[in-house]
Amino acid sequence: EVQLVESGGALVQPGGSLRLSCAASGFTFSSYWMSWVRQAPGKGLEWVANIKQDGSVKYHVDSVKGRFTISRDNAENSLFLQMNSLRAEDTAVYYCARALSMDVWGQGTTVTVSS
Amino acid sequence: DVVMTQSPLSLPVTLGQPASISCRSSQSLVYSDGNTYLHWFQQRPGQSPRRLIYKVSNRDSGVPDRFSGSGSGTDFTLKISRVEAEDVGIYYCMQGTHWPPWTFGQGTKVEIK
Repeated sequence: EVQLVESGGALVQPGGSLRLSCAASGFTFSSYWMSWVRQAPGKGLEWVANIKQDGSVKYHVDSVKGRFTISRDNAENSLFLQMNSLRAEDTAVYYCARALSMDVWGQGTTVTVSS
Repeated sequence: DVVMTQSPLSLPVTLGQPASISCRSSQSLVYSDGNTYLHWFQQRPGQSPRRLIYKVSNRDSGVPDRFSGSGSGTDFTLKISRVEAEDVGIYYCMQGTHWPPWTFGQGTKVEIK
C-alpha cells in the first residue's frame, strides 16, 4: 500500500525551529518529486516546497524562502522540512504529497507557532 | 504567479442532483509539451486532501464515475452528475503548468441542502 506518514509537528514559540519528517512506503520513493503543502486553520491549501528525485532541485514558496528548507534521504525513504524562524502565520497542518501532481497525501502533522 | 479562481465558493446541493464547480486561471494552463496540468482535489471533513482528477479530465483510481473534469486553456469545470452524501467537502483546483509556485484555487465547499 502506498503510504505517506508525517511527523514532527508541535507547539513552538515564535522564532523557534522544527523539523518535519515524512516516511514513505509502498512505492519507489527515489523515483518521485515530493512536495510539502500546508493548510492554516480554516483556510485553503498552500504549496510550500518541492524537491526533485535526487534532491538536486528545490523550490520554496516566497513566504518561507530563507527560513524553510526541504530535503530528502532516498536511502531512508524520507522527506524533511526544516523550519527556522517560525512565525505565527506558519501555524498550519503540513502535508507531504507525492509527485508534482500530488497524487498521494499523508495524514498531516500540526505545527502551532504561539507564545 | 498564476491565480486560480473558483466559483462558487459555497455550493448547497440536493442529494441526487448534479453539481458543477468552475475554476479559472489567470493564464493558459497549456504546457509546452501539449499537456494541461490542471488537477482537482477533494477534502472531506477532517480528512487529508485526495486527488480526484488529473490533467483536466483523467479520473484517479477508485474515483466514482459520477465525477468528471473538463475544460481547456483558462476555463475548467468539475462536475458531479448525482451528488451523494459522501461527496460533502471542499474541492480545490490546482495548476502545475507555470511553476514555481504551484497554486490552488480558494476551494469550493459542497454541502447538502
